Amino acid sequence: DGGITQSPKYLFRKEGQNVTLSCEQNLNHDAMYWYRQDPGQGLRLIYYSQIVNDFQKGDIAEGYSVSREKKESFPLTVTSAQKNPTAFYLCASSNYLAGIQETQYFGPGTRLLVL
Amino acid sequence: QKEVEQNSGPLSVPEGAIASLNCTYSDRGSQSFFWYRQYSGKSPELIMSIYSNGDKEDGRFTAQLNKASQYVSLLIRDSQPSDSATYLCAVKNYGQNFVFGPGTRLSVLP
Repeated sequence: DGGITQSPKYLFRKEGQNVTLSCEQNLNHDAMYWYRQDPGQGLRLIYYSQIVNDFQKGDIAEGYSVSREKKESFPLTVTSAQKNPTAFYLCASSNYLAGIQETQYFGPGTRLLVL
Repeated sequence: QKEVEQNSGPLSVPEGAIASLNCTYSDRGSQSFFWYRQYSGKSPELIMSIYSNGDKEDGRFTAQLNKASQYVSLLIRDSQPSDSATYLCAVKNYGQNFVFGPGTRLSVLP
């Protein structure tokens, strides 16, 4: 069953703590993305990666870090520098090499709450 | 700054009516256009993609694209309460990132 998995579904962060959100895909997609969504708001791009061992900052990268050591995996770390991390985090992937028909698909999301 | 605009709504339609959702975009070079549905508390799911001018139908959904006017729309025929969700428009130019609109909240009233 192909798709994108994210874990955990809910994550609680304490002050000063770094937390890591997992994202795995078995769609054989080259590109992966992390978005943040605040209540009633649209999607904001945090980081994206088009190939293994390479990634680029999106619009709101400050306070976040990523790695792309495997094609299937793109974990996101929310660092203590991110002062307002409470949000819904969405991982996505796309078939980057499909040209005009490149399509983005989303995982189920992780909801991060601050204790 | 490439932008995608949508009316935030809420757009309320009675059950069985046609819901019309609109989206305009600023990047004239955009080539790919997508509609996603997002239920409250859930992630976006792809409904339709469209790449050329005109209409594309899939069941009760019809996407309409007019590149000259930089306008894409989604029509939902025979709207059902289960269609109540936020609908996101996304636009892409080749080699660039997807740009999402803020979404339109649709409410279908029984």
